[in-house]
Amino acid sequence: QKEVEQDPGPLSVPEGAIVSLNCTYSNSAFQYFMWYRQYSRKGPELLMYTYSSGNKEDGRFTAQVDKSSKYISLFIRDSQPSDSATYLCAMSPMGGAGSYQLTFGKGTKLSVIP
Amino acid sequence: EADIYQTPRYLVIGTGKKITLECSQTMGHDKMYWYQQDPGMELHLIHYSYGVNSTEKGDLSSESTVSRIRTEHFPLTLESARPSHTSQYLCASSEFGREGTQYFGPGTRLLVL
Repeated sequence: QKEVEQDPGPLSVPEGAIVSLNCTYSNSAFQYFMWYRQYSRKGPELLMYTYSSGNKEDGRFTAQVDKSSKYISLFIRDSQPSDSATYLCAMSPMGGAGSYQLTFGKGTKLSVIP
Repeated sequence: EADIYQTPRYLVIGTGKKITLECSQTMGHDKMYWYQQDPGMELHLIHYSYGVNSTEKGDLSSESTVSRIRTEHFPLTLESARPSHTSQYLCASSEFGREGTQYFGPGTRLLVL
C-alpha cells in the first residue's frame, strides 16, 4: 500500500461546479498537508497549506483535513476554466528527521469545461 | 511567480553522454531539492541540500549527482545518460523550517535515445 493514495482522474466538470479532490494516507506521522496545483508544462505551485484537522478557506478553495480518517480534501467552488490543472496532495511529518521530505500523491487531472 | 529557473527546458540526447541540468533561485533559500516526475506518477525526491556544501540523497535512488557550491545554484549531473533516465526533472527550493512551502522551477524534460 502506498503511503498516499490519490485518484488520478481525469475529472471533467462544467464551469461553475463544485469540485472535490481527495487523498487518503496511511502514515499517522504525517502532520502537515499541502495542495499543489500544476499546470501543463509548468512546475507545481503551492495552493493550500494546513496543519490541524478541520477546514481552511482561501477564496474559492477550501482544504479539509480529517486526521482520524487519514483523509484530506480540496474543494473548489464556482470552478473556472483557469482551474484546469493537475492537483497534487502532499504531506510531511512534523519535525525531526524526514520533516524536510514531502510525500506526494499522483495528482488528479481536472478539466473545467466552459 | 517563483524566482527559480531551470535550463534547459527540453533536452534530447544520446546514450552515454554527460549532461548537467541547471537550477538557480534568487530567493536566498537555504534548502533546495531535485525531484523526478514521470507521467501519471508521484513526484519522487532524488536529492536535496540544506545549504552550501550540503547534499543528501532522497528516497528515490538515482545515478545522478548534485553539488551546492553557491546558495543560489544546485546543478544535477548525469555522467552517462541512459534511456532509463528519460523523465521530467523538477528543481525546488524552500526556506529552512518551511519545507512544506516549496517553490518549483518549470522543469527539464529529458529524453535519452
